[in-house]
Amino acid sequence: QVQLVQSGAEVKKPGASVMVSCKASGYMFTSYSMHWVRQAPGQRLEWMGWINPDDANTKYSQKFQGRVTITRDTSASTAYMELSSLRPEDTAVYYCARGARGDVFDIWGQGTMVIVSS
Amino acid sequence: DIQMTQSPSTLSASVGDRVTITCRASQSITSWLAWYQQKPGKAPKFLIYKASSLESGVPPRFSGSGSGTEFTLTISSLQPDDFATYYCQQYKSYPYSFGQGTKLEIK
Repeated sequence: QVQLVQSGAEVKKPGASVMVSCKASGYMFTSYSMHWVRQAPGQRLEWMGWINPDDANTKYSQKFQGRVTITRDTSASTAYMELSSLRPEDTAVYYCARGARGDVFDIWGQGTMVIVSS
Repeated sequence: DIQMTQSPSTLSASVGDRVTITCRASQSITSWLAWYQQKPGKAPKFLIYKASSLESGVPPRFSGSGSGTEFTLTISSLQPDDFATYYCQQYKSYPYSFGQGTKLEIK
């Protein structure tokens, strides 16, 4: 079945970087965009950016520009999101989500909790 | 950036009730609106796209309407599995944005 499986929870210190992976299965990885969305505790969902796995083209939210990098490995059907210069307010669950039907998110990963604390 | 505002923030209802959630955009998004359902500790589940098109497998008791800046999600007869938080999302322009959520609680 179509699914996205993300890497496990991370605990990082302020100023560090974190990389979250998202492995796709059950569909052609290069045929759909991959987005990253985060949700801080008790907060709304927040879109971070996306990658076209076919050509590696990316688009980032201005809020995260300069701190976020989204990449992919087509041989592994895996997308990656790296967030640098972490702050306590980056503590959140990070989701990857497949883009379809004009960029709605039809399939979601299970989420990866990232805690930023000294 | 386009701001999305949902009302109410919390809605108490009973099984069998008909409920409506409203989502307003700060500027016109034509019909580029989606709805998601999220349960505690889980990823969101995609329900509706292009304001009123039901995703395959979503029960027909869910429906969406609206265009421009005002949209609604209606559940015609609440079932126990429907108690969750619902989010709208615009995908008219970057950065894509979500409403603050509407928590649907059992009365």
